[in-house]
Amino acid sequence: EIMLTQSPGTLSLSPGESATLSCRTSQTLSSTFLAWYQQKPGQAPRLLIYAASTRATDIPDRFSGSGSGTDFTLTITRVDPEDFAVYYCHQYGTSPPGNFGQGTRLDIK
Amino acid sequence: EVQLVQSGAEVKKPGESLRISCKASGYTFVNYWIGWVRQTPGKGLEWLALIHPGYSDTAYRPSFQGQVTISVDKSTRTAYLHWNNLKASDSAIYYCVRHSTTSKWSPGGFWGQGTLVTVSS
Repeated sequence: EIMLTQSPGTLSLSPGESATLSCRTSQTLSSTFLAWYQQKPGQAPRLLIYAASTRATDIPDRFSGSGSGTDFTLTITRVDPEDFAVYYCHQYGTSPPGNFGQGTRLDIK
Repeated sequence: EVQLVQSGAEVKKPGESLRISCKASGYTFVNYWIGWVRQTPGKGLEWLALIHPGYSDTAYRPSFQGQVTISVDKSTRTAYLHWNNLKASDSAIYYCVRHSTTSKWSPGGFWGQGTLVTVSS
């Protein structure tokens, strides 16, 4: 099973700053099979990015994804107050249904 | 508009059986993989199982094989997750999730509102 390790565990930023969230996989993963989700308290996760860099429907362009091999990144430029949430990466390329990282919490500084 | 509406919260005792449901609307039910993800404070998000309503093909996370059963009723466009012998460790929020595309290798694009399952003696 491919393991996903997210860092940092918690990221504290002020609105307007940029956020860089990392997801490292234990084996090489095709970028076709890496997604990012956002989860706010009391809500279900929401798909932000799939295929490592493609924004899902209605996702603002301040969210971007990049990476390949074993290192993937979610970047939020100019963090908006509504962006404070927990973010998860997900690999769906092996042994469906795949598995998630443990999450990065983005907190208001 | 794709909608996944899940059944309500459940409180059960260890050893009891349970079936939770997810009613889908707004798309062609038989064309998309649909499954269940659970969330716990200790283990985070975990996929349990997937099913293709059109092919009746299933895929289980190995650690959940034999512990839960996923099924669908095409006539009512409803997916189910069933337990025969609940354990306290099954306590979690369970989300119904539909794939973004018709491919088996697809992320979860649409999520239900979640069903809280509490198993306690």
